[in-house]
Amino acid sequence: DAGVIQSPRHEVTEMGQEVTLRCKPISGHNSLFWYRQTMMRGLELLIYFNNNVPIDDSGMPEDRFSAKMPNASFSTLKIQPSEPRDSAVYFCASSYGGASNNEQFFGPGTRLTVL
Amino acid sequence: KNEVEQSPQNLTAQEGEFITINCSYSVGISALHWLQQHPGGGIVSLFMLSSGKKKHGRLIATINIQEKHSSLHITASHPRDSAVYICAAENFGNEKLTFGTGTRLTIIP
Repeated sequence: DAGVIQSPRHEVTEMGQEVTLRCKPISGHNSLFWYRQTMMRGLELLIYFNNNVPIDDSGMPEDRFSAKMPNASFSTLKIQPSEPRDSAVYFCASSYGGASNNEQFFGPGTRLTVL
Repeated sequence: KNEVEQSPQNLTAQEGEFITINCSYSVGISALHWLQQHPGGGIVSLFMLSSGKKKHGRLIATINIQEKHSSLHITASHPRDSAVYICAAENFGNEKLTFGTGTRLTIIP
């Protein structure tokens, strides 16, 4: 298996622009997680889905952030409009199970820079 | 909200030394995860444990549920073990992880 796939790997954009990050989970996994990592705050959960349904989005910073999972093999995280403080590495992870005690497999991350 | 603390924040050791990284959490959990983040940025799951001890090669993870404490040990450390090690507490009933701030380990040849 190719593992969790994220694109793009790097994104540089200007403040105010829309940014879309993409994730393809491991085939057969039914939970998908979006995380953000910054120097100041470390790793934080933004939102997670189980069976394509958002379960907890309490970590989404504000209305500028939105996430969708239209099917079991694809998810997007969108920031509109982007701001310099959104600069971070965004990780997608997936797991099989849905309840608890399931190993999570991380993608390589998307490094976002907002100028 | 679970508060997860790790110590030390930074650790430098000579090759061959025995390494211990500690993690404590404030609220009961269903599992404790140990992750490794390499200098290139990729994150790999090392262990997930809810009781006792697990071993994988030179890595050993232990957890004490009553004391809300977990440790990650590395025996015969090697420069390739240099990475950031992150513990994460998983809530009961869902898969939400709360992360520690990480321990940056550097092993000198």
